[in-house]
Amino acid sequence: GAVVSQHPSWVICKSGTSVKIECRSLDFQATTMFWYRQFPKQSLMLMATSNEGSKATYEQGVEKDKFLINHASLTLSTLTVTSAHPEDSSFYICSAREGGNQETQYFGPGTRLLVL
Amino acid sequence: GQNIDQPTEMTATEGAIVQINCTYQTSGFNGLFWYQQHAGEAPTFLSYNVLDGLEEKGRFSSFLSRSKGYSYLLLKELQMKDSASYLCAVMDSNYQLIWGAGTKLIIKP
Repeated sequence: GAVVSQHPSWVICKSGTSVKIECRSLDFQATTMFWYRQFPKQSLMLMATSNEGSKATYEQGVEKDKFLINHASLTLSTLTVTSAHPEDSSFYICSAREGGNQETQYFGPGTRLLVL
Repeated sequence: GQNIDQPTEMTATEGAIVQINCTYQTSGFNGLFWYQQHAGEAPTFLSYNVLDGLEEKGRFSSFLSRSKGYSYLLLKELQMKDSASYLCAVMDSNYQLIWGAGTKLIIKP
């Protein structure tokens, strides 16, 4: 089956620093990738949708200057949390959709971010 | 607005059967998904229903009624490892997934 990887799986950083999270589709070309955030005991919250080669579409309430998304290739999307603060501590999950297959999203294992 | 409702928490006994319900109101419908999520992990795909009826896959079955905006996930022969959150998600007319808050299932011996 399709595999999506995320790196790193765990990151601890100081307040004010920036953190980059990578999402890769390992055995398929992902024309669309999604970034989610999940706080403890809550459901997934879609942050943004990114299509290869174009700007990401952000959900209402998500600051695009704080959460920078780059989808430069069909197998890689990155999320950079700029000037991270403790309230940004969360579980960040990416998912990828193969071109032409609208129904199926494959999830990465997630990245747990802790900002001190 | 778009809305997905499912119970917050359910408890069942090992070896028994449990049914987790999901009702939805969305702008368009392109299928309903069930995902399993263990604590601290990403969701894993369980089932996809786009037509009315029951889809069976081993110990897990999923049912859909589009006219009622209703689905359920049926888990049989419960095992301790089935303790997890079960997320219902509907794909709307824009092919965006709308997520429910998840049902935490607790399995007792």
